[in-house]
Amino acid sequence: KAGVTQTPRYLIKTRGQQVTLSCSPISGHRSVSWYQQTPGQGLQFLFEYFSETQRNKGNFPGRFSGRQFSNSRSEMNVSTLELGDSALYLCASSLDGNGYTFGSGTRLTVV
Amino acid sequence: AQSVTQLDSQVPVFEEAPVELRCNYSSSVSVYLFWYVQYPNQGLQLLLKYLSGSTLVKGINGFEAEFNKSQTSFHLRKPSVHISDTAEYFCAVRNTGFQKLVFGTGTRLLVSP
Repeated sequence: KAGVTQTPRYLIKTRGQQVTLSCSPISGHRSVSWYQQTPGQGLQFLFEYFSETQRNKGNFPGRFSGRQFSNSRSEMNVSTLELGDSALYLCASSLDGNGYTFGSGTRLTVV
Repeated sequence: AQSVTQLDSQVPVFEEAPVELRCNYSSSVSVYLFWYVQYPNQGLQLLLKYLSGSTLVKGINGFEAEFNKSQTSFHLRKPSVHISDTAEYFCAVRNTGFQKLVFGTGTRLLVSP
């Protein structure tokens, strides 16, 4: 059974640009969550999608957005990048909320 | 709102010694509890979880944890660690009605020969 796939693994962007990260969940999982991991703030919840609907949202500015497609794949977008957006972005998929499987993450560096 | 406290930022231990990583949580409602491990440059791997039932939960790689409701704790234990257990360990909580994990700040386990 394939795990959660996140692409790309590494990304370098310039301040002011925008970026799109992709997450393919485990087959059959309809819930996809996104987390940001930084040394200073730790692991923080961004948002969660279920059946193409955003079900929960964390305390991040509107520059952070996401969506989920009918095949449960999800993308997150960050516009007008800031240096502080440099982080490891993790995606997790879940069948029923009782267990979350994480991908390897996308490491975003903003210069 | 829930919160998770991992008091130990770093725990050094010798190989084959036992270890306990502490986790305390606060929540006004019923919770699910999780322990994850993160190796360098990787994502999070689920070690074990408590949803209901027996308070002693066994996970992968010889780890176990005990849910203590009165002390609001979910400490992780392993009777004998290996060098390969060197990693960052995260405790997380989720209330039963909200699909969001709240993580602790992590504990770095350093196993030396």
